[in-house]
Amino acid sequence: KNEVEQSPQNLTAQEGEFITINCSYSVGISALHWLQQHPGGGIVSLFMLSSGKKKHGRLIATINIQEKHSSLHITASHPRDSAVYICAVENFGNEKLTFGTGTRLTIIP
Amino acid sequence: ETGVTQTPRHLVMGMTNKKSLKCEQHLGHNAMYWYKQSAKKPLELMFVYNFKEQTENNSVPSRFSPECPNSSHLFLHLHTLQPEDSALYLCASSHYREYNEQFFGPGTRLTVL
Repeated sequence: KNEVEQSPQNLTAQEGEFITINCSYSVGISALHWLQQHPGGGIVSLFMLSSGKKKHGRLIATINIQEKHSSLHITASHPRDSAVYICAVENFGNEKLTFGTGTRLTIIP
Repeated sequence: ETGVTQTPRHLVMGMTNKKSLKCEQHLGHNAMYWYKQSAKKPLELMFVYNFKEQTENNSVPSRFSPECPNSSHLFLHLHTLQPEDSALYLCASSHYREYNEQFFGPGTRLTVL
């Protein structure tokens, strides 16, 4: 069973700061997802990646397969980025997702 | 608008009540999922339906009873719940076996008194 760990659990930062959220997992995977959950509850997929780096607007996701680690970065953070960010992995031979516990991000104006 | 709707958004019930959660998707998907999200815990997959057939039941207690009358609708019937069942219940849908491209609903916040 894959163990997915996220850090930090909670993060509070000032508007404009560069944000990094980390995810590590214990067993090799076929892909990793970053999801965003707003206070209302709904979950939105941000990235799916299996190698390298992806960028969308102010969001950047990287993955290091050898180190079993991924990071989500937010540049020029804004209060609307306040949400819970969830890492989820797809395991080889079993496409079901294993989820981390999430990182609660609060951006203060 | 995610294309997946859930009702009600909030539900408070006593341990002897019977209630149902409803999920509806308008994305043309044929797989639907129920997840439970408790505080400080990862999302837990409860049930999976593919083409209206239940293909997964992750050891969920029988006080939770799913129903999938068609590919667009999914229900979760609740009876004699316990306070520890209080959580956010999320519905998701995807194309068949495309677990990696699930679209989530907004969730139902359930409180059991």
